[in-house]
This record gives sequence, C-alpha cells and structure tokens, in this order.
Amino acid sequence: DAGITQSPRYKITETGRQVTLMCHQTWSHSYMFWYRQDLGHGLRLIYYSAAADITDKGEVPDGYVVSRSKTENFPLTLESATRSQTSVYFCASSESAGLGTEAFFGQGTRLTVV
Amino acid sequence: GQQVMQIPQYQHVQEGEDFTTYCNSSTTLSNIQWYKQRPGGHPVFLIQLVKSGEVKKQKRLTFQFGEAKKNSSLHITATQTTDVGTYFCAGRQGAQKLVFGQGTRLTINP
Repeated sequence: DAGITQSPRYKITETGRQVTLMCHQTWSHSYMFWYRQDLGHGLRLIYYSAAADITDKGEVPDGYVVSRSKTENFPLTLESATRSQTSVYFCASSESAGLGTEAFFGQGTRLTVV
Repeated sequence: GQQVMQIPQYQHVQEGEDFTTYCNSSTTLSNIQWYKQRPGGHPVFLIQLVKSGEVKKQKRLTFQFGEAKKNSSLHITATQTTDVGTYFCAGRQGAQKLVFGQGTRLTINP
C-alpha cells in the first residue's frame, strides 16, 4: 500500500544496545524527517534529509545516526541506547520544502530502553 | 537556532466552549502549518498559512498568521468531543527544517 510506514511499532531494548528504526515511504518524497515525542517537549527534530545521500542535524541529534542511500528509506540508528532515548519516534516525509508542502507522518515507533 | 513556542501546554474546556492556542517563533517564518494528533495517533496536517496577516477557516476552526510572520493562532469555536487531541504548529525557516512547537493538548468535558 502507498504511504509511509515505520517498523517496528514497539521495541524494548537494553541500555547500550544498538537499535535501528526503519522508515519507508512510497511517494518518492524528497524530504524525510525523524522526530521524537516526549511529554512536555512536543515533537523535536532529530535529523532530516533533503534527498538521497543528503542528511542534516535537527534539534536533538546526539546519540543518533541516519542514512539515506535510497529515496524511499530513512533508517534511524541509536548507536548505544540510553534510557533518556525512551520515547515515541515519528518519521515523516514531504514532497518538497519550497513553500512547504504538508508532512505525512508514519504511525510511530514506541521505544523503551531498560 | 529557530524556536517555535506554543501556549498553553494544556487546555481543558467544557463542550461548547471556545479554544485558542498560540504559536510564536523567534525568527520570521516562510510559512506555518498546523497539525492535529488524536490520542494514540500520529500528527495529521490541517492547514498551511503563507501570507502575512493571512486568515483561513475550516468550519469551526480559524487560523491566523501574524503580520510579521512570527506568530500564529488556532481558534476553535464551540468545541466538540471530536476536537480532542494535541494541536501543533510547525514552522519552516528558509526552506528545509520543519520545526514543531510543543503542542497544546485539548481535553473536553462533555
């Protein structure tokens, strides 16, 4: 089906482990974003990408790594998970960023680090 | 860097009352977007404002963009239980980053 999908939907991992959250979109949107959502902080931008092989830091990039070898995929890796990275992670995509087309969000991944 | 501040953080109203959330940016925005997130769901786009002083309406929802393009508001007239959720504003500075405010969580007493 067309759209933007995230996997897994739920993940529990241990402190210090590496974990990768997947994001896939079928629209060939140029822009993709990763946000984390925590109570009291709203949606904070972790990383974004303007196109394949072009990524840039957002507001809270420390402890995260992204890649974008293909337009449709934008995985987010926590290199060594910490409890402070327990959060709900949302991936989003948009067609362009000129005068701002809407962003489409995935269903989210709830990550718990124990 | 760009900051988008949104107030209030929480708002509880009786059904039928009006509701307003405000969004302020530290820098001039290219445009501002509003999203709604239902409990347990993901943010969904509502509207985009581009022009200075722009006002747009969607049924009971009225969106405004400030003259200086640094602030915006969302007003809901006569709230209904279907309006429950968290409302976010999001701004772009320049052309790339889409930065969200902290959101206003609206709860309604039927």
